[in-house]
Amino acid sequence: SAVISQKPSRDICQRGTSLTIQCQVDSQVTMMFWYRQQPGQSLTLIATANQGSEATYESGFVIDKFPISRPNLTFSTLTVSNMSPEDSSIYLCSVGRDGASTDTQYFGPGTRLTVL
Amino acid sequence: GENVEQHPSTLSVQEGDSAVIKCTYSDSASNYFPWYKQELGKRPQLIIDIRSNVGEKKDQRIAVTLNKTAKHFSLHITETQPEDSAVYFCAASMYSGGGADGLTFGKGTHLIIQP
Repeated sequence: SAVISQKPSRDICQRGTSLTIQCQVDSQVTMMFWYRQQPGQSLTLIATANQGSEATYESGFVIDKFPISRPNLTFSTLTVSNMSPEDSSIYLCSVGRDGASTDTQYFGPGTRLTVL
Repeated sequence: GENVEQHPSTLSVQEGDSAVIKCTYSDSASNYFPWYKQELGKRPQLIIDIRSNVGEKKDQRIAVTLNKTAKHFSLHITETQPEDSAVYFCAASMYSGGGADGLTFGKGTHLIIQP
């Protein structure tokens, strides 16, 4: 499976500010996804980020709040804008494999965000 | 959209016994069903998956079964060990050939293995 890294691993931010989370993969992948995991909860898909096209957002998530970039096949960023304490979560990127079994997804280590 | 229900939310079994976690999904177009294990403070790890053209898949002590008609799938862990203690998530998605959709997750099962 691909090696996936995220930066930062954790951060504590003040409300009203923004944080950009980076996701780096050691190989080229077509499909990248961003998820949120609120404390003690399951994972919820925020958006799908494919290189060369606009990100596709799930119901309840909007581009103004969670802008996403996907400049190449190994990198993506998610920005959490105008943060409030409700945004405190773990944010995870995942990648789908290219070639066979493209439906399989592997997760990055996550970014633990606390908003005060 | 897809909705995935997962039961039970907590499961406690004696070491060496079997554990079964069940999930149902709502969208008959879903065709890919992975299971993830998440230990405290760590990322979800894929442990097994099944596609809709298969009814059962096994990998050592772990097996998954799929009933497309009833739209439910289950995770079976035999001969449980302390290291199996974790939160397990089922998920569903639809793969259309042009690329996978994102995953819809169940709420998770906290599996506790009692020594």
